[in-house]
Amino acid sequence: DILLTQSPSSLSTSVGDTVTLTCRAGRSISTSLNWYQQKPGKAPKLLISAASNLQSGVPSRFSGSGSGTDFTLTISSLQREDGATYYCQQCYSSRPTFGGGSKVEIK
Amino acid sequence: QVHLVESGGGVVQPGGSVRLSCAASRFTFSDYPMHWVRQAPGKGLEWLSFISNDGTNKYNADSVRGRLTISRDNSKNTLYLDMNSLSAEDTAVYYCARSGVGGIFAAFDVWGQGTLVTVSS
Repeated sequence: DILLTQSPSSLSTSVGDTVTLTCRAGRSISTSLNWYQQKPGKAPKLLISAASNLQSGVPSRFSGSGSGTDFTLTISSLQREDGATYYCQQCYSSRPTFGGGSKVEIK
Repeated sequence: QVHLVESGGGVVQPGGSVRLSCAASRFTFSDYPMHWVRQAPGKGLEWLSFISNDGTNKYNADSVRGRLTISRDNSKNTLYLDMNSLSAEDTAVYYCARSGVGGIFAAFDVWGQGTLVTVSS
């Protein structure tokens, strides 16, 4: 299985800040990397597919980049409603895997 | 609005089995591959199983191989997950999710709200 390592595992930040979350794959996965947002008690929501494709309805302050083994999710001008856990997921192999998550807390 | 609703969760005794269902609506279910994903309390997401749109191709995670069967009934717009030999480690919220274009090599673009399975005596 392809291991995905996310960092940081948690962070505390303020409204208006820019946050960068990283996801590192154990081997090259091209751009087969997706990002999800999960709020407590809710199902995950797809934010970005194929490393950088913003899903319809997702605010433009979210952006993704990367290829190969290193990927980032950037949240610009953080809003209070962005407090959540963010997961990366690879769909390069026939055994999809998720990263361990990055929890974003709004001060 | 595309909709997925899981059911079948509850308290199950260790060693027991469970059948989960996922009812799909407001999209052509038979066009889409589907997945099951679970999340243990306070933990991250774990992919479990995939089934192609016509049910001919299936993949399971190694962690549950042999204990899990995914199936679907396209005439009923319903996805199923059968799990046996349950242990406390199987306690989790179980989600069904739709696969986007690309089958197993695609993002999970729609998720259900989840159903909780608790394995306890």
